[in-house]
Amino acid sequence: DTEVTQTPKHLVMGMTNKKSLKCEQHMGHRAMYWYKQKAKKPPELMFVYSYEKLSINESVPSRFSPECPNSSLLNLHLHALQPEDSALYLCASSQFLGQGGETQYFGPGTRLLVL
Amino acid sequence: QKEVEQNSGPLSVPEGAIASLNCTYSDRGSQSFFWYRQYSGKSPELIMFIYSNGDKEDGRFTAQLNKASQYVSLLIRDSQPSDSATYLCAAARPSYDKVIFGPGTSLSVIP
Repeated sequence: DTEVTQTPKHLVMGMTNKKSLKCEQHMGHRAMYWYKQKAKKPPELMFVYSYEKLSINESVPSRFSPECPNSSLLNLHLHALQPEDSALYLCASSQFLGQGGETQYFGPGTRLLVL
Repeated sequence: QKEVEQNSGPLSVPEGAIASLNCTYSDRGSQSFFWYRQYSGKSPELIMFIYSNGDKEDGRFTAQLNKASQYVSLLIRDSQPSDSATYLCAAARPSYDKVIFGPGTSLSVIP
């Protein structure tokens, strides 16, 4: 089973709203990732968690706040977003961060529209 | 120079033909390489990964790696219209802390 689930599938929010994206995997993977993808562009890495600790933050604006409550769950909290933040937000997981464990499996994504 | 480069396409092949997708990478220390397929509006789906020089076959797909030339390719035999998608090549950095994606190649299989 290589399933990563994400909720919600679609989200529309205003610039003053607070919302959260959720990601879950039950493959025992210890590395989890958030990516942002704009149309016709490759996924752009935002955050990496390894063993529930933030390992990489790709200089993402503070209006995006990640959280890893346990080894199966990854959240992305959104606050005061801008219209240019509208994109497909992808969660991925891999066995671990390191050689041999870096094969990533993606969830279906959350399509976010900021009005 | 981008770390992972691909022809953006679109690449058009007739149904039943072999589609050849190419990728080059700049960091000679990269060891692990991945091919993902992404349909419009969907998330990337892993097709193949390859670590060793040479060919790796899985059904209609063959990945080829040449570390000396810093080149990775994906061959799709007996192409089907359902193979029409964007194909993303990715390379793991030598530090293995992240995977770098290429811009993707759009493939169109014409019935």
